[in-house]
Amino acid sequence: GAGVSQSPRYKVAKRGQDVALRCDPISGHVSLFWYQQALGQGPEFLTYFQNEAQLDKSGLPSDRFFAERPEGSVSTLKIQRTQQEDSAVYLCASSPRPAGTSGKEEQFFGPGTRLTVL
Amino acid sequence: AQSVSQHNHHVILSEAASLELGCNYSYGGTVNLFWYVQYPGQHLQLLLKYFSGDPLVKGIKGFEAEFIKSKFSFNLRKPSVQWSDTAEYFCAVNPYTGFQKLVFGTGTRLLVSP
Repeated sequence: GAGVSQSPRYKVAKRGQDVALRCDPISGHVSLFWYQQALGQGPEFLTYFQNEAQLDKSGLPSDRFFAERPEGSVSTLKIQRTQQEDSAVYLCASSPRPAGTSGKEEQFFGPGTRLTVL
Repeated sequence: AQSVSQHNHHVILSEAASLELGCNYSYGGTVNLFWYVQYPGQHLQLLLKYFSGDPLVKGIKGFEAEFIKSKFSFNLRKPSVQWSDTAEYFCAVNPYTGFQKLVFGTGTRLLVSP
């Protein structure tokens, strides 16, 4: 079956531009996560959705970052007025059930979008 | 600060050598532990996971990991590596504080020479 897909795979933006990154989770997956992976680092949590509800956005680095999942499936991560420090790979992951305190669900990752801000 | 540490950033081995990658975490209480792998040009995928029970867990492709609670460690092992094991390996912890966000280590790049 289809896995998590992300588009575009590569994005080059000039500093100050707005960008939108798309994530298509596995069909029927309730939970959706965004992570940011800087060069040479592990992924860092940005935000979490359960269906259309954004339940945790504690990892978003600034108010320039905004994420949505209006119909509980596709999600978009938007970065306004991009800065050079936003250059990273943005990963989307989904899992089949609602998140809770068990923390036992495997997360299925997409290929990522590599954002380069010039 | 609470974190996940992977001590080896780059490891180079010959085929058939044994592998052990270290992972330590600083969270107290109950944690769920994962190893993810990223093969060249591919996305992150789960290698193995530990929640409870037998502290020695087996994953795919002959990998295993041992949870040692007293040492806050979850080291990854494989008795005999293959060229196809060349990849980046990430240790991750869910610190059991609600919602499944994973805290990742910085990763270890493994290069296996044929």
